[in-house]
Amino acid sequence: AQSVTQLGSHVSVSEGALVLLRCNYSSSVPPYLFWYVQYPNQGLQLLLKYTSAATLVKGINGFEAEFKKSETSFHLTKPSAHMSDAAEYFCAVSDRGGNTGKLIFGQGTTLQVKP
Amino acid sequence: EPEVTQTPSHQVTQMGQEVILRCVPISNHLYFYWYRQILGQKVEFLVSFYNNEISEKSEIFDDQFSVERPDGSNFTLKIRSTKLEDSAMYFCASSVKGGQGRTEAFFGQGTRLTVV
Repeated sequence: AQSVTQLGSHVSVSEGALVLLRCNYSSSVPPYLFWYVQYPNQGLQLLLKYTSAATLVKGINGFEAEFKKSETSFHLTKPSAHMSDAAEYFCAVSDRGGNTGKLIFGQGTTLQVKP
Repeated sequence: EPEVTQTPSHQVTQMGQEVILRCVPISNHLYFYWYRQILGQKVEFLVSFYNNEISEKSEIFDDQFSVERPDGSNFTLKIRSTKLEDSAMYFCASSVKGGQGRTEAFFGQGTRLTVV
């Protein structure tokens, strides 16, 4: 069965500092991987996705993530945090072999950005 | 920009009552989903729907739940007899493709269901 683990339910960084949100996955088949962001009182917005092309994926708002098969990881990074990045971030995995687009989500990481 | 819309944004209902949560997926999408997020917990898959039938459902999606695409544009989630533990944010999502070569799912803003 597939699963996603996000290390750290709460991450706090200073404005301008590096953002690193960790995600490890478990999948018996090569997965599709996604990062979604949820701003307060809003829905889930796709940041970026990995679907087996380049292992370094660039997304919106300056975020990027690198797929590392050997580490079963898909960590999300941003070189310089902005106050507007404060939100909850979810890593998700989807089974390539399945017949649906079902997503399995991690527990989420709340990013706090301090001035 | 096309978006998934959900109504209502917030619904309060009494335990034992039936509720219907409504969603309008993006018009050219073919796969539809419901997820829920209990406060403080992860987003959980409930059900996926394709070609007018359920393609997959989770253990959560028991006989109290049903989905329907009544008119080619709306996609509804019905909870027949609500329980306190059904209180959660319910997200509708849609995608162009599921299966192989799937595309990303677009999510609605959610409906916060409170059962009292």
